[in-house]
Amino acid sequence: EVQLLESGGGFVQPGGSLRLSCVASGFTFSNYAMYWVRQAPGKGLEWVSSISDSGGNTYYTDSVKGRFTISRDSSKDTLYLQMNSLSVEDTAVYYCAKRGSRGTQFHYDSWGQGTLVTVSS
Amino acid sequence: QSALTQPASVSGSPGQSITISCTGTSSDIGAYDYVSWYQQHPGKAPKLIIYDVSYRPSGVSTRFSGSKSGNTASLTISGLQAEDESDYYCTSYRSGSTWVFGGGTKVTVL
Repeated sequence: EVQLLESGGGFVQPGGSLRLSCVASGFTFSNYAMYWVRQAPGKGLEWVSSISDSGGNTYYTDSVKGRFTISRDSSKDTLYLQMNSLSVEDTAVYYCAKRGSRGTQFHYDSWGQGTLVTVSS
Repeated sequence: QSALTQPASVSGSPGQSITISCTGTSSDIGAYDYVSWYQQHPGKAPKLIIYDVSYRPSGVSTRFSGSKSGNTASLTISGLQAEDESDYYCTSYRSGSTWVFGGGTKVTVL
């Protein structure tokens, strides 16, 4: 059974930093691209970042470019999101998600339970 | 990076069919058959219910179906049941190796 367990969320002041982690199990982590998706309170889902299976390619939504860094450690089966220069607009539940296993694989077939990041003064 | 357009809410009576639309552009929905749909109950993580426009993962009810025409994708729920009351999100791969979600649709079972 695929499991994704996020951690690292919390309360931080504007301009601060946090690092989120997502520990994966139940599948061969190094074979799959991974994603971070966030959801602001009462709002919809928003793709934040992607990383290829090898870690060699990374992508970001415009609003976090230059502030967030996605990375992975296949020896630890762990995905990370380093978040710097946080603003109140970054307040959200952050989910990690796994690339799909079927068809074109252009979907997210497993999600973690999410970790809440609150940015406030 | 504009979001895909979904109706904010759709409602129906038990047993009826409802359809949720998801409108994008020629750079996302119109360009790729990479549309997927997710169901999210309050306080829970999203769950994949449709991938590659019209395919259901194993274990997902056959009452859920997906389609696409041009820049618009659709999710149909047939034989609406109380348990289908939830939020639904579409997403599509977009050129430039990015992704875009719809704003979400709240389905109410009357």
